[in-house]
Amino acid sequence: EAGVAQSPRYKIIEKRQSVAFWCNPISGHATLYWYQQILGQGPKLLIQFQNNGVVDDSQLPKDRFSAERLKGVDSTLKIQPAKLEDSAVYLCASSPTGETQYFGPGTRLLVL
Amino acid sequence: SQQGEEDPQALSIQEGENATMNCSYKTSINNLQWYRQNSGRGLVHLILIRSNEREKHSGRLRVTLDTSKKSSSLLITASRAADTASYFCALSTQGAQKLVFGQGTRLTINP
Repeated sequence: EAGVAQSPRYKIIEKRQSVAFWCNPISGHATLYWYQQILGQGPKLLIQFQNNGVVDDSQLPKDRFSAERLKGVDSTLKIQPAKLEDSAVYLCASSPTGETQYFGPGTRLLVL
Repeated sequence: SQQGEEDPQALSIQEGENATMNCSYKTSINNLQWYRQNSGRGLVHLILIRSNEREKHSGRLRVTLDTSKKSSSLLITASRAADTASYFCALSTQGAQKLVFGQGTRLTINP
């Protein structure tokens, strides 16, 4: 079974630029999550999708972050414009039941 | 806060020794999960223990849960160099299909 795929793996941008991350969850997993993990900390949930609907986006900075999950499969997370404090690893996870989560390798973002 | 707090923040032991990590929390939970993260990688699910369970085993892993004390522990027996990683507890609260992660314990196994 293929795991959760993410791209790119690394991204370096300058502040005020925009960036997008892509996630392909495990086939058949209805729930998809985006997390932000700052160095030395645990993952923080940004947004949760159930199929293509948003379940929880309470911690998503909506003035600069946006996410979508078209057709209930792939998802993209966008930051526009980026700030220095957005430097982090962005993790995508999926789950068939909403319990155990399966994580992708993450995208490491550095904002200069 | 719904976040679990792991203790210790960092642990360094010799290969072959046992490693114990603890997680304390303040809210009521549906289940508690432990995940491992190797440097530069995504998280890997290790074990899930439900609120009505007290102990679970998986290979060299043993997890306990004490809901009266709102705490859990993860024991790794006969540690190996490959166990070097960060370990996170994650809380699932009633009615929510999401996890709240703690800050993690950084475990180093010295050969």
